[in-house]
Amino acid sequence: AQSVTQLDSQVPVFEEAPVELRCNYSSSVSVYLFWYVQYPNQGLQLLLKYLSGSTLVKGINGFEAEFNKSQTSFHLRKPSVHISDTAEYFCAVTLIQGAQKLVFGQGTRLTINP
Amino acid sequence: KAGVTQTPRYLIKTRGQQVTLSCSPISGHRSVSWYQQTPGQGLQFLFEYFSETQRNKGNFPGRFSGRQFSNSRSEMNVSTLELGDSALYLCASSSGTSGSLYNEQFFGPGTRLTVL
Repeated sequence: AQSVTQLDSQVPVFEEAPVELRCNYSSSVSVYLFWYVQYPNQGLQLLLKYLSGSTLVKGINGFEAEFNKSQTSFHLRKPSVHISDTAEYFCAVTLIQGAQKLVFGQGTRLTINP
Repeated sequence: KAGVTQTPRYLIKTRGQQVTLSCSPISGHRSVSWYQQTPGQGLQFLFEYFSETQRNKGNFPGRFSGRQFSNSRSEMNVSTLELGDSALYLCASSSGTSGSLYNEQFFGPGTRLTVL
């Protein structure tokens, strides 16, 4: 079975600073990878996804992530954060073949301080 | 295009009761998935429906069930409610002829269920 570990439950950063949210996954077979964002009292919104091809994936709101197969990681980065990026971020995987369901990490709460 | 809608947004029930939650997907989407979000367990997959058939199922007891109608609207039912069922229940819809989950899933705002 696949699993996802988000290494930091909370990440505080100052506005305009860079940020990296870490995600590692475990699976014996190939997976698709996703990052979702959840703003307070809202559902989840897809930031970006890796299905195949280039390992550097660009998403919405200036976020990007890099798929590293050897390290089974899919870390999310942004070079300069804004107050509006304050939210909870979830990394998720699903199998490429077989039973498909999104398996989520526990989430990382990103807090931007002025 | 209207997004995914879920009703009701908030619900309070007592132990032993049953509850039905509703989800209307984005127009044209045929796949609907349900997730449970709790502070302790995080986001967990319940089940996915495509063209009125359950295609994928998570590891939840039989008290949790669902169905999908011909217009793709979906309902989720929880019988014999327990305190631990208190959670945010999220519905997501996706497009794509196969209905596979790797197509982008669009989430609704959720239904907050409180069991007393």
